[in-house]
Amino acid sequence: DTEVTQTPKHLVMGMTNKKSLKCEQHMGHRAMYWYKQKAKKPPELMFVYSYEKLSINESVPSRFSPECPNSSLLNLHLHALQPEDSALYLCASSQVYRGKQYFGPGTRLTVT
Amino acid sequence: AQSVTQLDSHVSVSEGTPVLLRCNYSSSYSPSLFWYVQHPNKGLQLLLKYTSAATLVKGINGFEAEFKKSETSFHLTKPSAHMSDAAEYFCVVSDLGSARQLTFGSGTQLTVLP
Repeated sequence: DTEVTQTPKHLVMGMTNKKSLKCEQHMGHRAMYWYKQKAKKPPELMFVYSYEKLSINESVPSRFSPECPNSSLLNLHLHALQPEDSALYLCASSQVYRGKQYFGPGTRLTVT
Repeated sequence: AQSVTQLDSHVSVSEGTPVLLRCNYSSSYSPSLFWYVQHPNKGLQLLLKYTSAATLVKGINGFEAEFKKSETSFHLTKPSAHMSDAAEYFCVVSDLGSARQLTFGSGTQLTVLP
């Protein structure tokens, strides 16, 4: 199984809502990543978890809160988002920190 | 510091003709280089990876790339374009000197004309 899954595929939320994005992999990878991708732009790194510990936070606003409950699962909790946060959110995993990354299909988020 | 420049934001080819997507990189260390493809509303798929073993790297779907250290280039090629190759392509660099994992180029949109 070389697949990274993400749910939901699409999410529409208001600025006062709280929602969560989920990412799962069963490849035994110990590094997991969240990226944000705006239209016609490359992905921008948000967070990196290595062995379930947050190792990189790229100065992301606190309205985005990552969580890594176990080695297979990565969540991104969303609260009080702004319309400019609308984007494709990609999850990736790699065997180890700095390894080849496998990407999920992404969650298309729209903030209204 | 590492950086990547994709020299063309858009490339248009006819089906059955060769594809060339150009990428130059800058790296303080011996880099790992990747090409990823992204179809509309999809995630990124790894096409191929260079990690200092062989300078000519073969990837999936008939793509290959050649690492040229003297030119700091890692251009992606395919002998014959197929309609399904139409997508966004990202050149990516990673080196040991960077904690940021991957540095993405700005992307090249490939259009394949019938």
